[in-house]
Amino acid sequence: DIVMTQSPDSLAVSLGERATINCRSSQSLLHSSNNKNYLAWYQQKSGQPPRLLLYWTSTRESGVPDRFSGSGSGTNFTLTISSLQAEDMALYYCHQYFITPYTFGQGTRLEIK
Amino acid sequence: QVQLQESSPGLVEPSQTLSLTCSVSGDSISSGKYFWTWIRQPAGKGLEWIGRFYITGSTNYNPSLGSRVTMSLDTSKNHFSLRLNSVTAADTAVYFCASGTRDPGVFDYWGQGAFVTVSS
Repeated sequence: DIVMTQSPDSLAVSLGERATINCRSSQSLLHSSNNKNYLAWYQQKSGQPPRLLLYWTSTRESGVPDRFSGSGSGTNFTLTISSLQAEDMALYYCHQYFITPYTFGQGTRLEIK
Repeated sequence: QVQLQESSPGLVEPSQTLSLTCSVSGDSISSGKYFWTWIRQPAGKGLEWIGRFYITGSTNYNPSLGSRVTMSLDTSKNHFSLRLNSVTAADTAVYFCASGTRDPGVFDYWGQGAFVTVSS
């Protein structure tokens, strides 16, 4: 199985500041046939299902604010929230869909400082 | 817009079979546009992909669950199901059904989740 490792496990950021979450995969998620990285990011608030934020590393899901962005390739990826808002307090998961069994990172808890 | 809703027994005894159903509204389960997926999350823990089912009958299950898992569709009721045999306390979790339109492995549709406790 592909192991997804996020860092840090938790992060406290002041409102309006930048938040950065890293994700590393145990093997490359770049598919040679289409040059796409099979990496998505989800946000999960307490008591709710996960919400898709980004897929193909950096494609924003409809309705997701543009302060959320994704980058990276191969085995190293980053989720960036450019200007943290109070409603961004949540758990964030990276997710590989390169190969089954699909796997998720352990999650990063984002808190407001 | 597809909407998903899980139904669950809530409590299952150890060694018994866990059965969950996900009702689909907003589109036909047999449209061929979606892979129907189950994901679970133990309390306070991360997400585990259980497996998926496609209308052709094609399935992919997480090997970590061995042969305990079975998925199926009921096109007459527009819902899909999960059965997990020989459950233990380790199977206690919130179970989500999910699907999506971006890629078979990207989930833009989620149910609210059904909490299943395995206990005697």
